Amino acid sequence: GAGVSQSPSNKVTEKGKDVELRCDPISGHTALYWYRQSLGQGLEFLIYFQGNSAPDKSGLPSDRFSAERTGGSVSTLTIQRTQQEDSAVYLCASRGGPNTGELFFGEGSRLTVL
Amino acid sequence: EDQVTQSPEALRLQEGESSSLNCSYTVSGLRGLFWYRQDPGKGPEFLFTLYSAGEEKEKERLKATLTKKESFLHITAPKPEDSATYLCAVRTSGTYKYIFGTGTRLKVLA
Repeated sequence: GAGVSQSPSNKVTEKGKDVELRCDPISGHTALYWYRQSLGQGLEFLIYFQGNSAPDKSGLPSDRFSAERTGGSVSTLTIQRTQQEDSAVYLCASRGGPNTGELFFGEGSRLTVL
Repeated sequence: EDQVTQSPEALRLQEGESSSLNCSYTVSGLRGLFWYRQDPGKGPEFLFTLYSAGEEKEKERLKATLTKKESFLHITAPKPEDSATYLCAVRTSGTYKYIFGTGTRLKVLA
């Protein structure tokens, strides 16, 4: 596609439920990142993919968070047993190659945990 | 520890009143400094990349500059449509991680 696509754009869930957030990067982009943005906060790094592997998952807050990428394209971020503190905007970004600098972001998935 | 600090947190300008936003950074090795614009409810939109001290980039009313310790985003004769949050990020040598500042919320009044 022309840009990074994320779905759903909005998700309201009850505490304890599992959620899946999807990211479809720019076609041909090998690197994919997930960030979290809480109200009034900066972007918090969660995980980085190069192809289908995740060399850096150091930002995942707990073992309730996991992510995968298949076919070097679509990625899914899964949050199990959601908590209220998981409420945030989850942003996905992609980059063309190791020597290109810019990240291109999707519009984000806003998660609200009641 | 690698760190990015942006100032001011918020800025209100009259239309046509030029100003500058600051991004100071402490990193072990800079592999790029990036400026983004973020509108409410949207993802960050890429503006500029700077790689070495002395480098400058321009786009319409925006000009980004870089020194060894900080970057400035100069806004010349701003318009209300320039109102947004401006984010600065650095990529450090030896990692694939981008570290973001908390942004400057700019409001330009007509």
